[in-house]
Amino acid sequence: GAVVSQHPSWVICKSGTSVKIECRSLDFQATTMFWYRQFPKQSLMLMATSNEGSKATYEQGVEKDKFLINHASLTLSTLTVTSAHPEDSSFYICSARDLVTDNQPQHFGDGTRLSIL
Amino acid sequence: GQNIDQPTEMTATEGAIVQINCTYQTSGFNGLFWYQQHAGEAPTFLSYNVLDGLEEKGRFSSFLSRSKGYSYLLLKELQMKDSASYLCAPMDSNYQLIWGAGTKLIIKP
Repeated sequence: GAVVSQHPSWVICKSGTSVKIECRSLDFQATTMFWYRQFPKQSLMLMATSNEGSKATYEQGVEKDKFLINHASLTLSTLTVTSAHPEDSSFYICSARDLVTDNQPQHFGDGTRLSIL
Repeated sequence: GQNIDQPTEMTATEGAIVQINCTYQTSGFNGLFWYQQHAGEAPTFLSYNVLDGLEEKGRFSSFLSRSKGYSYLLLKELQMKDSASYLCAPMDSNYQLIWGAGTKLIIKP
């Protein structure tokens, strides 16, 4: 089945640090990748939709200068949280959709737990 | 607007059957997905319905009625490992998944 690899799994760092999270589709090509954030006991919140070779589309209220997204190839998208602060601590999850058809399920990475001290 | 309605929490007994209902309103419709999410983990895909009717997959089945904006997930022969949140996610006209808060299912021995 479709596998999405997300790295790192855990990050603990000081306030003001920039953190980069990678999302790779291992056995399929993904023109579209999605970045979510989830706070404890809350629903998934879509942050942005990342399309290969073009600028990401950010959801309302998500700062594009703070959450930098790059989708340089059909198998890799990155999210960089710039100058992270304690309120950015959350569970960040990426997902990817197969190139072939739009109505295929999104396949999720294992998520990255980010803790800012 | 777009809206998902699922029970917040349900409790069931090991070995029993449970049905998790979902009603939705979306701008356009391109199918409905069910995902399972264990605490602290990412969601995993369970099922997809695009036409009315029942889709069966082992112990899990999912039903869709497009005219009623209604779906359910049926879990049979419940096991302790089925304790998780179950997310109903319809896909809108832009092929975007709409996420609700999910239903937390607690399985008791």
